[in-house]
Formats: sequence, C-alpha cells, structure tokens
Amino acid sequence: IQMTQSPSSLSASVGDRVTITCRASENVRDYLHWYQQKPGKAPQVLIYSVSSLQSGVPSRFSGSGSGTDFTLTINNVQPEDFATYHCQQTYSTLVTFGQGTRLDIK
Amino acid sequence: QVQLQESGPGLVKPSETLSLTCTVSGASISGSSWSWVRQPPGKGLEWIGYIYHTGSTNYNPSLKGRATISLDTSKNHISLRLGPVTAADTAFYFCARLPGIAQAMNSWGQGTLVTVSS
Repeated sequence: IQMTQSPSSLSASVGDRVTITCRASENVRDYLHWYQQKPGKAPQVLIYSVSSLQSGVPSRFSGSGSGTDFTLTINNVQPEDFATYHCQQTYSTLVTFGQGTRLDIK
Repeated sequence: QVQLQESGPGLVKPSETLSLTCTVSGASISGSSWSWVRQPPGKGLEWIGYIYHTGSTNYNPSLKGRATISLDTSKNHISLRLGPVTAADTAFYFCARLPGIAQAMNSWGQGTLVTVSS
C-alpha cells in the first residue's frame, strides 16, 4: 500500500494552524499512525489509530480521516513542533510509511 | 519505562553481512513484538520487518530475503542480520517496540548509522 503525504514541506509561523495530509492507495481502515521526527533523533509516535493521542503528546496535535484519506493537524504551532512528520499504515502485512513532511519556521 | 539501544559495527564492506543488536531494558522482550526500521541519510523511513511475541516474523519483500530478525531472551535483545549488503543499505537503523500486532511503534531506540563501503 503506497502512502502519499502532502505537502512534502511547508513553512509556518509560531501560532499558526498546520494541516498535513496522507493518502493511502488502498483502504487501511484505522491502521494509520503519525510520527514526529526531529533532526538526529528517532521518530516518536504522536497519533495512533487515526485519532488517538499518544500519552504525553500535547493536545494541539490531532488526527482525523478514514479509509484512504487522513489528516494531521497542529493547532497553535510551537517552536518545538518544527520537525518532519511521517504517516504509517500497519493494515497490510507490508508496513509502509509516507515520504515525510518537513515543517520549517517561516 | 522501556528503553531500547541499538549497537553494532558502523562500517560494513559490500557483500558482507550487517549484524545489529537492540538491547531492551525496562521490559521483557518476550511480552511484546518488535520491529526494525531504517532511514538512508536525508530520506524517508523504510520498514524492514517484525518479530512477533510468538516468535513468528514478517519481512519487507523489497529486501529479497536478505533480512533475519531474531530474539535472544537470555540477553533480552533483538537481532537483525542483513546480507549480503550493498551501498544502498547505508542507513540509520532503528529498533522499535509494538504493543500489539499491527499497532503503532510506541518506543524507539536512538538509531545507529551503518555505512556500507569498502
């Protein structure tokens, strides 16, 4: 299953609302997860199963969607949110990631 | 709190076998499922494979049978062997924990860079 994120990169200012989309080439039901990765660090899960917030993740992060189209939203972007975001599907026995979306400071 | 730490050679020659270990602290590896993921420098994430708590495994077909993941419960670590390698296998390699089959990877090691070069 191919996962396509858009945009590949975007710029935002502190306090902005940011939306990143992830489209699957087939229905992945609710087996869709979002990760944040900072430079030189491992990815960390933000959202699992489309919309469940991982423990310790700020509530300004939210996820939505179903089937093939999914969205990660960051409300009131903070300086520590500038990072790369990856979606991942685990519905298929062949797990796949999106190509990543880099969020930069405007 | 579960902690994962990858270790292994940082440089491997082409056609040889890459061997990495993920040492787990704070939990028994017998109770969870585990995965390896890699990331070529500056590129995206690629799933390598899973080993489930049952011991069964599942691999990315793109690796064409070159990968093997195993558990060593006596040392509480997970191993990855990949070979023969080429320069295309140069990447950061991460191990990660899954709370259940097909669930998100909720704990990750810091990663280790493996360079394939003669």
